[in-house]
Amino acid sequence: QSALTQPASVSGSPGQSITISCTGTSSDVGGYNYVSWYQQHPDKAPKLMINDVSNRPSGVSNRFSGSKSGNTASLTISGLQAEDEADYYCSSYTSSSTYVFGTGTKVTVL
Amino acid sequence: EVQLLESGGGLVQPGGSLRLSCAASGFTFNSYAMSWVRQAPGKGLEWVSAISGSGGSTYYADSVKGRFTISRDNSKNMLYLQMNSLRAEDTAVYYCARLPRHCSGGDCYGGYFDYWGQGTLVTVSS
Repeated sequence: QSALTQPASVSGSPGQSITISCTGTSSDVGGYNYVSWYQQHPDKAPKLMINDVSNRPSGVSNRFSGSKSGNTASLTISGLQAEDEADYYCSSYTSSSTYVFGTGTKVTVL
Repeated sequence: EVQLLESGGGLVQPGGSLRLSCAASGFTFNSYAMSWVRQAPGKGLEWVSAISGSGGSTYYADSVKGRFTISRDNSKNMLYLQMNSLRAEDTAVYYCARLPRHCSGGDCYGGYFDYWGQGTLVTVSS
């Protein structure tokens, strides 16, 4: 199972919006509405930000939103803040009843 | 409060074995599938294995299939990962994570990792 493809880095100024893409295949991202997104700060455990493509868990800022079109899912962070600077990973359920993560995206707040 | 606490990591020689444990609390353990996810130093997340709430179904990444075994003891709220024939490329921080899945008619699928432990470091080196 190959990792889902994410851009290595995305940057933006405070207050701006950025979007991170996550591209897979019809056997994972495109085949199921089971895409999730995780935020990871240095030396910390990952934190769930979005599940099931667009559902935001309780306690997660409404500045985070998710969507999907075909084999590509996206995470949008609006009103970018300094605390959003972190690594972000997407994940998807697959047709093999397994899971796959994305390659990861480093978000930098300029 | 959901808590997951991993233990058992350490330094092991190539070809050796190690068993990781994850103590769970704050939720009805046997109602949830559980998973192991690892992260090599400076690298991204890699899904390793998952197990159903009853323990009757297990799933593995191709990279560990035949070498790693996931199990659970629902009477003790414990999750385990037995790792055999370890290789240098297995060096990583190993996280246990809760895995809520969608279940219908006895079949469960999908899901996401909603709570994570702090991780335990496994180093495979001579």
